[in-house]
Amino acid sequence: EVQLVESGGGLVQPGGSLRLSCAVSGFTFSSYWMTWVRQAPGKGLEWVATIKQDGSEKYYVDSVKGRFTLSRDNAKNSLYLQMNSLRADDTAVYYCARPYYDILTGHFTYFDYWGQGTLVTVSS
Amino acid sequence: DIVMTQSPDSLAVSLGERATINCKSSQSVLYSSNNKNYLAWYQQKPGQTPKLLIYWASTRESGVPDRFSGSGSGTDFTLTISSLQAEDVAIYYCQQYYNDWTFGQGTKVEIK
Repeated sequence: EVQLVESGGGLVQPGGSLRLSCAVSGFTFSSYWMTWVRQAPGKGLEWVATIKQDGSEKYYVDSVKGRFTLSRDNAKNSLYLQMNSLRADDTAVYYCARPYYDILTGHFTYFDYWGQGTLVTVSS
Repeated sequence: DIVMTQSPDSLAVSLGERATINCKSSQSVLYSSNNKNYLAWYQQKPGQTPKLLIYWASTRESGVPDRFSGSGSGTDFTLTISSLQAEDVAIYYCQQYYNDWTFGQGTKVEIK
């Protein structure tokens, strides 16, 4: 059974830092790109960042570039999101998700598995 | 960036009636080399994680009831619930995965 379990959320002051983790099981973690998606309270879904299998490529939404850093430890089947210089508009539930690898196209595509999410609240 | 715009923002449909949600992308998400539309639909029930319903614009995920169907190509897509059930009350999102990933703003479906 595929499982993605996020942790590390909490209350942090503006300008502070937080590190989120996502522990993965049930599939070969090192074979997949991985992604973070967030959802502000009462709002829609926003893709945040994606990392290649070996960590050599990383992509971020413009609003977090320079503040968030994505990393992974394939030996520990874990994904991380280091969030610095946090702002009130970073308040959200953060989900880790797996982009499905489509063999026929060779592309990483839609998100077929999601974690339950971890809430990050940025407030003084 | 590809912008995804859904309409309407919300709709109320009677039980057993059809619900139709539209999604428009700011540029085509049809990949010419394989003729596939890089478009998915998700369902998010209150307090739950998003669930994949449809991918490649019209392929139903395993286990998804056949009352859910997707259609469209290029820049214009539709999610149809042919006969709305009480358990379909949720917010529905379209997503493009042609260039990075972006979501529509969501459409809330309620019972009339």
